[in-house]
Amino acid sequence: QKEVEQNSGPLSVPEGAIASLNCTYSDRGSQSFFWYRQYSGKSPELIMFIYSNGDKEDGRFTAQLNKASQYVSLLIRDSQPSDSATYLCAVYTNAGKSTFGDGTTLTVKP
Amino acid sequence: DTGVSQDPRHKITKRGQNVTFRCDPISEHNRLYWYRQTLGQGPEFLTYFQNEAQLEKSRLLSDRFSAERPKGSFSTLEIQRTEQGDSAMYLCASSPLSGVDTQYFGPGTRLTVL
Repeated sequence: QKEVEQNSGPLSVPEGAIASLNCTYSDRGSQSFFWYRQYSGKSPELIMFIYSNGDKEDGRFTAQLNKASQYVSLLIRDSQPSDSATYLCAVYTNAGKSTFGDGTTLTVKP
Repeated sequence: DTGVSQDPRHKITKRGQNVTFRCDPISEHNRLYWYRQTLGQGPEFLTYFQNEAQLEKSRLLSDRFSAERPKGSFSTLEIQRTEQGDSAMYLCASSPLSGVDTQYFGPGTRLTVL
């Protein structure tokens, strides 16, 4: 079992819909959770982070964390074609170590 | 440009050659990370510096890989006796010492070993 698991996708949603991306992790000592967006051939770009249970909103993005279930998700409202990318979940477990999932590819169709 | 920079952006080398990559972090960031990413995979942690001290190194890193950050500013990653399996994107990231460990990535160095 991988330390951080994501559905590889591809996930396809129509423009304007809500995209829901999920991530589970195995280390209960994990402290902080990050979502990155990565366009093909480019490096990861930080979208947002969360470290407390519940929801955190930033513009069209909402991160949700449930430590009891070891689950973190990212919701993208009003999805746009420019949101089409691979979304990486990263989990920070101890000093200096972040573990990434393999990403979920999202396609937003006009 | 105040972001993380990496040099070179692309490197093609022959098997058995040594290569060295450079990373310049965001100036006020104390932490610096190296990752390796292959197609379809997430970034794989290689090593981590806090200032000039190398505090963590992946068990996956063979003896052919070495990294330095001599003055706590820029860092270099060297791969000796390259193998075709070393072909990947090598990513550098930096983060501030305080607060949540938000890592900001450089553009990466794409290595192709022939």
